[in-house]
Amino acid sequence: GAGVSQSPSNKVTEKGKDVELRCDPISGHTALYWYRQRLGQGLEFLIYFQGNSAPDKSGLPSDRFSAERTGESVSTLTIQRTQQEDSAVYLCASSLNPGFYGELFFGEGSRLTVL
Amino acid sequence: AQKITQTQPGMFVQEKEAVTLDCTYDTSDPSYGLFWYKQPSSGEMIFLIYQGSYDQQNATEGRYSLNFQKARKSANLVISASQLGDSAMYFCAMTYNNAGNMLTFGGGTRLMVKP
Repeated sequence: GAGVSQSPSNKVTEKGKDVELRCDPISGHTALYWYRQRLGQGLEFLIYFQGNSAPDKSGLPSDRFSAERTGESVSTLTIQRTQQEDSAVYLCASSLNPGFYGELFFGEGSRLTVL
Repeated sequence: AQKITQTQPGMFVQEKEAVTLDCTYDTSDPSYGLFWYKQPSSGEMIFLIYQGSYDQQNATEGRYSLNFQKARKSANLVISASQLGDSAMYFCAMTYNNAGNMLTFGGGTRLMVKP
């Protein structure tokens, strides 16, 4: 597709389970970003990839959160032992250039609900 | 630390009128970029407009213009001739030098256009 694709669009899970969220960036975009958006709030930065490496992991809220990117393409955000406070929309974005003026293109997000 | 503040949680505007959404920022970095994104109920983040800290002119994109007042550290979004489809959340965001294009977002303003 032409845009950033995320799956699943909705995920309901039980507390304590692990979840994986997937992001397919726009083809050729070297930079990839994960953000979290809690209900009614702004976006919190989680992690940034340049190619397959993650120079900035400062936003990951705990060691239960991890992310990887392979082939300079697909990225997976994994949340282990989910907690109710993890309920949020997880947004992925990609950018052609990691530089200062590059516009970010966002996917429609994965809505996670932890019961 | 960089910070973005949007003081208007919600606003109403009459269709066809202009509206200004406020945004103030705080940074000690002389080189930064300011963005506005629209988030309709579908959840996708849509890029609207960009202003660089060294840009002399205020940015304009169609019905959107950015009222950039550097000394006041404000970057208000002006939407002219509001349309019903403009009803959405609007987020101000900032990136700064060496941030790897990481965007720091404000808390957002919900705009509702009345017919």
